[in-house]
Amino acid sequence: NAGVTQTPKFQVLKTGQSMTLQCAQDMNHEYMSWYRQDPGMGLRLIHYSVGAGITDQGEVPNGYNVSRSTTEDFPLRLLSAAPSQTSVYFCASGRGTSGTYEQYFGPGTRLTVT
Amino acid sequence: AQRVTQPEKLLSVFKGAPVELKCNYSYSGSPELFWYVQYSRQRLQLLLRHISRESIKGFTADLNKGETSFHLKKPFAQEEDSAMYYCALRGFQKLVFGTGTRLLVSP
Repeated sequence: NAGVTQTPKFQVLKTGQSMTLQCAQDMNHEYMSWYRQDPGMGLRLIHYSVGAGITDQGEVPNGYNVSRSTTEDFPLRLLSAAPSQTSVYFCASGRGTSGTYEQYFGPGTRLTVT
Repeated sequence: AQRVTQPEKLLSVFKGAPVELKCNYSYSGSPELFWYVQYSRQRLQLLLRHISRESIKGFTADLNKGETSFHLKKPFAQEEDSAMYYCALRGFQKLVFGTGTRLLVSP
């Protein structure tokens, strides 16, 4: 099992550009989530999904979109990148629709917006 | 409101010294708490959960509802314990993380 995979590992964007961060898991987990990690701020939840076709907002959803068309994939879209979105992004998955008893994290994507 | 507070950004100790990473929470319901760890160049992973009352890698954490705390303890720190530690609180369909404490264990 590859677990949770994320691509790309690194990305540099200019302000106003859009892009999609990819996340996939091969553990058949119903629950998937996206976090951003910033110094002094910890991990903050952006969006999450409790199953295919179901998504909901987390703590910091503005500027991001998600969709969940399959159990395996949960892409995160930045609509118009801003310097404030410079961060490390983590995708995670978990069992069941709660998925919060244990979350399995991907390796992260380091995004810089100039 | 659900909130997790980790008051220390950095905790620096010598090898063999006791370690206590502090975590306080705010939650109106019955709390479920976890400690996650991120070693250098590794993924964030679950270290332990209060409901299991387990000891992992020598670490233990006891839920104290009176003090709303879930401090992580280890009697004798090892250099390989150096990592970023996050306390997390289980809410409805989500985990709420603290800001993290970096533990540095020096030889």
